[in-house]
Amino acid sequence: QKEVEQDPGPLSVPEGAIVSLNCTYSNSAFQYFMWYRQYSRKGPELLMYTYSSGNKEDGRFTAQVDKSSKYISLFIRDSQPSDSATYLCAMSDGGTYKYIFGTGTRLKVLA
Amino acid sequence: KAGVTQTPRYLIKTRGQQVTLSCSPISGHRSVSWYQQTPGQGLQFLFEYFSETQRNKGNFPGRFSGRQFSNSRSEMNVSTLELGDSALYLCASSLESGYTDTQYFGPGTRLTVL
Repeated sequence: QKEVEQDPGPLSVPEGAIVSLNCTYSNSAFQYFMWYRQYSRKGPELLMYTYSSGNKEDGRFTAQVDKSSKYISLFIRDSQPSDSATYLCAMSDGGTYKYIFGTGTRLKVLA
Repeated sequence: KAGVTQTPRYLIKTRGQQVTLSCSPISGHRSVSWYQQTPGQGLQFLFEYFSETQRNKGNFPGRFSGRQFSNSRSEMNVSTLELGDSALYLCASSLESGYTDTQYFGPGTRLTVL
């Protein structure tokens, strides 16, 4: 079993929909959680960063962390075709390694 | 400010050969991390360099090595290439070496091993 599990998709939604992307993890020591967006032929770019449990909002993006369920989510409101990309979750226990990444979910927002 | 640059962008090698990939971090960044990205495994951490010293290492065989120069530029070397080494190799830089420090990724080097 991988430390971080993420549904690979692809997830297709119409423009304007609310998108929910999720990751589950097994290591209870993880306390730093990140979401990255990766466009085709580009490197990942950091979208959201959350420490421990709770919610964080930034524009159309909301990150949620539920440490009791070992579950994190990224919500995208009013999705746009430009949001079409692969979304990667990443997490760290603050120890030896930088981050453990999920395999990514491909999102397609249809105009 | 210029972003992270990686050269070359694409590379084709044959089994048994060796390859060297280069990464130039954002100016002022002292930490450089390397990742391997494949469809099945996602991003996997290879190693991190900070001030010319390897700070952290992932679970990869010794065929994968790296180094960092005094100007923070980094190189990654893979010897005795195997078919399974075909992947996108990503470099990320950050100001300091810390798990809370934001990493900025380069566009990657796409390595194909035939």
